[in-house]
Amino acid sequence: DAGITQSPRHKVTETGTPVTLRCHQTENHRYMYWYRQDPGHGLRLIHYSYGVKDTDKGEVSDGYSVSRSKTEDFLLTLESATSSQTSVYFCAIPSSPRVSGANVLTFGAGSRLTVL
Amino acid sequence: GQQLNQSPQSMFIQEGEDVSMNCTSSSIFNTWLWYKQDPGEGPVLLIALYKAGELTSNGRLTAQFGITRKDSFLNISASIPSDVGIYFCAGYNTDKLIFGTGTRLQVFP
Repeated sequence: DAGITQSPRHKVTETGTPVTLRCHQTENHRYMYWYRQDPGHGLRLIHYSYGVKDTDKGEVSDGYSVSRSKTEDFLLTLESATSSQTSVYFCAIPSSPRVSGANVLTFGAGSRLTVL
Repeated sequence: GQQLNQSPQSMFIQEGEDVSMNCTSSSIFNTWLWYKQDPGEGPVLLIALYKAGELTSNGRLTAQFGITRKDSFLNISASIPSDVGIYFCAGYNTDKLIFGTGTRLQVFP
């Protein structure tokens, strides 16, 4: 498997609290992605990064922010968590270091977030 | 946001049976991917298709890139219990990878 780890794997929090999920890769890849997975919706892109300090929005970015201060780490932050953000969050990187675009992705094991 | 229509939503089959699922879109895609997700894990790539009309196999799995570039099919032959999981299609267009809603497969012995 590609070197991609997510933390925490499980988190329960209360509405209104800030939450940060971390994605760490050892592949030295420029591109990193955050998706959320919900029943009936498949996987939807939240934000992605194409380099250190270079990020862009996906289709469901409202309520989320990201940061990439190092190549290996991509953080997803919920400034004030809401119940609608209860979901499973997946980080992904391209499967080949030579692939520059969002083509074939390798996914982390996921972070299950419950907002009460 | 844009999504792919994946069907069926779920399947309950007996071990040894063949399985077919498909994905359709109103948009054209340059690449079609099929992923499988086991419980508690992230999706894992099964097959990647890069050309319209392409037919690719991976063991008991066969996938096709539709001629119109708006659909793709996945077949699993002689299903076994470890085929259980959720199967996702994904289409790549310019800079976006769009996922289907998934087909949940249950295999009974």
